[in-house]
Amino acid sequence: GENVEQHPSTLSVQEGDSAVIKCTYSDSASNYFPWYKQELGKGPQLIIDIRSNVGEKKDQRIAVTLNKTAKHFSLHITETQPEDSAVYFCAAEDTGFQKLVFGTGTRLLVSP
Amino acid sequence: GAVVSQHPSWVICKSGTSVKIECRSLDFQATTMFWYRQFPKQSLMLMATSNEGSKATYEQGVEKDKFLINHASLTLSTLTVTSAHPEDSSFYICSARNTGTGLGQPQHFGDGTRLSIL
Repeated sequence: GENVEQHPSTLSVQEGDSAVIKCTYSDSASNYFPWYKQELGKGPQLIIDIRSNVGEKKDQRIAVTLNKTAKHFSLHITETQPEDSAVYFCAAEDTGFQKLVFGTGTRLLVSP
Repeated sequence: GAVVSQHPSWVICKSGTSVKIECRSLDFQATTMFWYRQFPKQSLMLMATSNEGSKATYEQGVEKDKFLINHASLTLSTLTVTSAHPEDSSFYICSARNTGTGLGQPQHFGDGTRLSIL
């Protein structure tokens, strides 16, 4: 089955800096990779996703890149703001069971 | 769009009672819903996958008689924690995936239910 690793576990940046979170997956058949943002006491919110037929996707300050050969994908947040502070989870879809396998999460802290 | 509502958001009850949590997709139909459990500062742990009109598929180590799942319609799934005990205290989160779209479609999450068993 699929296995997803996520780094770093914590990330502190100054407001306006960029933040990068990286994930690797094990199953080369996986073809869908969403990213979720979870604020304290709430459920995860889908912020961006990418499918294996593209290498990069961008939505305003957020971008995701995918390297299928290396089996890794990354979340890039530019011009970070304090409201970006949250826990971010990457995930990969296990094509065999059609379920998401989540990374361990990254706690992002953006200081004013 | 793609709103998932989960109710209740917080419940406290005595040991031995059963608790039902509802998960509704408000603006789309969901053939498949998922139930997760999350411990503090940890990732989401999938408990079971619920398909409308059929029995849920439970992950290894999850007691199906303890965590009863019903997915009677395309917009509603319920999780009942039976004879709850303090070790069942946790944050339970549901998600829903759009109907008939198969692989590579987003899961949308509810805001979770914090369950505390005294």
